[in-house]
Amino acid sequence: NAGVMQNPRHLVRRRGQEARLRCSPMKGHSHVYWYRQLPEEGLKFMVYLQKENIIDESGMPKERFSAEFPKEGPSILRIQQVVRGDSAAYFCASSPGGITNEKLFFGSGTQLSVL
Amino acid sequence: QKEVEQDPGPLSVPEGAIVSLNCTYSNSAFQYFMWYRQYSRKGPELLMYTYSSGNKEDGRFTAQVDKSSKYISLFIRDSQPSDSATYLCAMSSMNSGYSTLTFGKGTMLLVSP
Repeated sequence: NAGVMQNPRHLVRRRGQEARLRCSPMKGHSHVYWYRQLPEEGLKFMVYLQKENIIDESGMPKERFSAEFPKEGPSILRIQQVVRGDSAAYFCASSPGGITNEKLFFGSGTQLSVL
Repeated sequence: QKEVEQDPGPLSVPEGAIVSLNCTYSNSAFQYFMWYRQYSRKGPELLMYTYSSGNKEDGRFTAQVDKSSKYISLFIRDSQPSDSATYLCAMSSMNSGYSTLTFGKGTMLLVSP
C-alpha cells in the first residue's frame, strides 16, 4: 500500500545540466500535481496532469520546464539548463479523480540543488 | 496582499499546552480548507479537511473556519514533542474544477518536553 513515490530524493546538478524528477502516484490514482517549495516560501502549484494530458500548467515557468504523465510509467518533471534559482524541493501529489474538493496526497519530494 | 497569510513562527510551547495556528485569506472563492503537517525534509501530510464554516474535531486537533472573516485556525490540545513540525494551511476554490491548492508559508511549531 505504497504512497506517492518520488525519486530521486536528492539531485545535484551543475548549472546548464538537465534535471529529471520522477513521481509514481498512489495505486488507483490517475491525477498528478507538481508543486515547488522554494526556501522561505510556501508550496506553489506548478502543473496538473492526467494520464497523457496536461490539464493546467499555469504555474510552470514558460521556459526550460516541462512535465509529462505517460500512459505507462511515472510522471516526469523535466528542467532543462538548470540555474541556481531552480534549487528547491519539488513535491508531487496525486488524487484519484481530479474533482474540485478532492484530497491530495503528497510524496516526500525531490530536493534539487544546483551548483 | 498575498492570497494566504500565515505567521512563519517559530512558535515554541511546553508539552501539554494548547496550540493555536492561524491563517487569513483574501480570495472569497476559496471554499475548501486544509491543514497539512510537514516534518523536516518530508512531504506534507494531510491533517484536517473542511469545507464549511464552524468547527471540525479529530482527536487532539480542531479545525475552525470563519468564512465571513476569511480566517481559519487549527487548535492542538495536549501538545506533544512529536507535534513539532511545520503546519501549512491550504485552500482551494470551486472555480478550477480540480484541486489546485494555495498554501500559506507555514508556521513552525516547537513543543519542548
